[in-house]
Amino acid sequence: QKEVEQDPGPLSVPEGAIVSLNCTYSNSAFQYFMWYRQYSRKGPELLMYTYSSGNKEDGRFTAQVDKSSKYISLFIRDSQPSDSATYLCATSNSGGYQKVTFGIGTKLQVIP
Amino acid sequence: DVKVTQSSRYLVKRTGEKVFLECVQDMDHENMFWYRQDPGLGLRLIYFSYDVKMKEKGDIPEGYSVSREKKERFSLILESASTNQTSMYLCASSPPLAGGPGEQFFGPGTRLTVL
Repeated sequence: QKEVEQDPGPLSVPEGAIVSLNCTYSNSAFQYFMWYRQYSRKGPELLMYTYSSGNKEDGRFTAQVDKSSKYISLFIRDSQPSDSATYLCATSNSGGYQKVTFGIGTKLQVIP
Repeated sequence: DVKVTQSSRYLVKRTGEKVFLECVQDMDHENMFWYRQDPGLGLRLIYFSYDVKMKEKGDIPEGYSVSREKKERFSLILESASTNQTSMYLCASSPPLAGGPGEQFFGPGTRLTVL
């Protein structure tokens, strides 16, 4: 079993839709939960992160973590064609060397 | 802006050739990483380094080696390239670990094809 599981999609939505991207993880030691965005032919970039459980909002993006169910979510409101990219969830421990464990990524296409 | 650069965007090599992939970062980061990214498999860690001349194996080190002689430069070496090493190779760096998520800054990637 992979430490971080993510549906690869692809996911295709109309412009303006609410997008929900999800991951599950297996290691209870993970403390940081991240979302990276990767545009075609580019390296991934950190979009946002949360520490432990709870929500974090940044503009149209909301990251949510439920540690009891080991579930990570990213919501995108009012999706735009510029949001078309691959979204990778990622987790890491706190303290010491922090190995980051990535999901395989979900490819999202927002249709104008 | 953090910048991580990789020596080539596209590379075509023959089976058995020795291949060098170079990565340079300009933010004085201690930690550097090499990943490969394949469809359906995602990012897989090959090697990482947390200091000059230090290296640690990642999840898939077989067939690869690394070199870190200077803090800003981390090289990935394929001693004898094989077709199953055809992939997108991504280099990343991250700042020292003092709490925080360990954000990694990625280069643009090198698409390596081994014929």
